[in-house]
Amino acid sequence: AQSVTQLGSHVSVSEGALVLLRCNYSSSVPPYLFWYVQYPNQGLQLLLKYTTGATLVKGINGFEAEFKKSETSFHLTKPSAHMSDAAEYFCAVPRAGANNLFFGTGTRLTVIP
Amino acid sequence: GAGVSQSPSNKVTEKGKDVELRCDPISGHTALYWYRQRLGQGLEFLIYFQGNSAPDKSGLPSDRFSAERTGESVSTLTIQRTQQEDSAVYLCASSPAGLVDNEQFFGPGTRLTVL
Repeated sequence: AQSVTQLGSHVSVSEGALVLLRCNYSSSVPPYLFWYVQYPNQGLQLLLKYTTGATLVKGINGFEAEFKKSETSFHLTKPSAHMSDAAEYFCAVPRAGANNLFFGTGTRLTVIP
Repeated sequence: GAGVSQSPSNKVTEKGKDVELRCDPISGHTALYWYRQRLGQGLEFLIYFQGNSAPDKSGLPSDRFSAERTGESVSTLTIQRTQQEDSAVYLCASSPAGLVDNEQFFGPGTRLTVL
């Protein structure tokens, strides 16, 4: 069954520092991979998704993620953290044979001024 | 434009009572999903509606949980005889066509507390 694992339930970075949030998927090559973000007191919203083609995917707010089949990873990065990036980030993959998503346990990002 | 809305935003109930949670999807979205988010855990899929097809109920944790959807509009999630372990945020999402690569648009959730 498809699943994802997010390493690190909490990540803290200084404002202006690199953001790296880790996501690894189960070994079956997924058709799609997603990152969703949940800002405080808001619903989840799509940050970016990988479907086919280019393995480096750019999303909103300066985030990007790279699909690496050899490492079964889809880590989320941003070169320079901003205070407004403080949120919870979820990696997701479609469930095998279903039209719904398996979400990781989430990583809460704190940005220190 | 209006996004996905959910009501109530917060619900406190006593163990053993029934609760109904409501979701209004984005107009025109044929697919609707319910998820449960427990503290410190990821989103847990509960149920999926797509148009007039039979819903995918494979994520419902017990027969105390049920959901209905009228056509392609409002959905209600009902939890009967609530238990303390039902305490969670219940999230609803909708998407245009229910395809697996479609973006899901989430509501703000209903926080359920069972005393």
